[in-house]
Amino acid sequence: QVHLVESGGGVVQPGRSLRLSCAASGFTFSNYAMYWIRQGPGKGLEWVAIMWYDGSDKRYAESVKGRFIISRDNSKNTVYLEMTTLRVEDTAVYYCAKSIGSGRFHYYGVDVWGQGTTVSVS
Amino acid sequence: QTVVTQEPSLTVSPGGTVTLTCSSSTGAVTTSSFANWFQQKPGQPPRPLIYTTSNKHPWTPARFSGSLLGDKAALTLSDVQPEDEADYYCLLYFGASLSVFGGGTKLTVL
Repeated sequence: QVHLVESGGGVVQPGRSLRLSCAASGFTFSNYAMYWIRQGPGKGLEWVAIMWYDGSDKRYAESVKGRFIISRDNSKNTVYLEMTTLRVEDTAVYYCAKSIGSGRFHYYGVDVWGQGTTVSVS
Repeated sequence: QTVVTQEPSLTVSPGGTVTLTCSSSTGAVTTSSFANWFQQKPGQPPRPLIYTTSNKHPWTPARFSGSLLGDKAALTLSDVQPEDEADYYCLLYFGASLSVFGGGTKLTVL
């Protein structure tokens, strides 16, 4: 069974850093692009970042570009989100998600979500 | 900045039919937008319903269908059930590995 488990959330002061992890199981992790998506309290979903299956490309939402870094370790079946210079508006539940399409077909969409980890910046 | 727009809220009666739409500030939504639709209930992560405009996941109930309606992506719920009350989000692809979520539609079944 495909499973994604996020960790690393917590309470942090503005300007500080935090690193989120997402452990994957039940599928060939190295074949799929992975996403980070967030949801502020009482707000909608926001696409944050994507990393290609082989790590060759990564993209970010404008709201986090230059502050957040997505990375992955295919030997550990884990994707990370390094968040620096955190702002109050980064407060959210952070989800990792798996692309439907393998390889370069990440744009097909998302088919599996984790339960999320909560980040509170205050 | 690209904006994806959905109806903020819709109300439907049990057994009825409702269509939610998803539009882009950059122009028409096409099959190359690879629209995805998600359902989210309070306290839960989103549940995928539709991918690449009209394809259903194995767990997607038959009463949900995706399509293009004019220059928008659409999610139609037929024979609406009380348990369909939820927030619904679309996700559109804009190329260069970039995607944007819509603001979400709160569906009330009343």
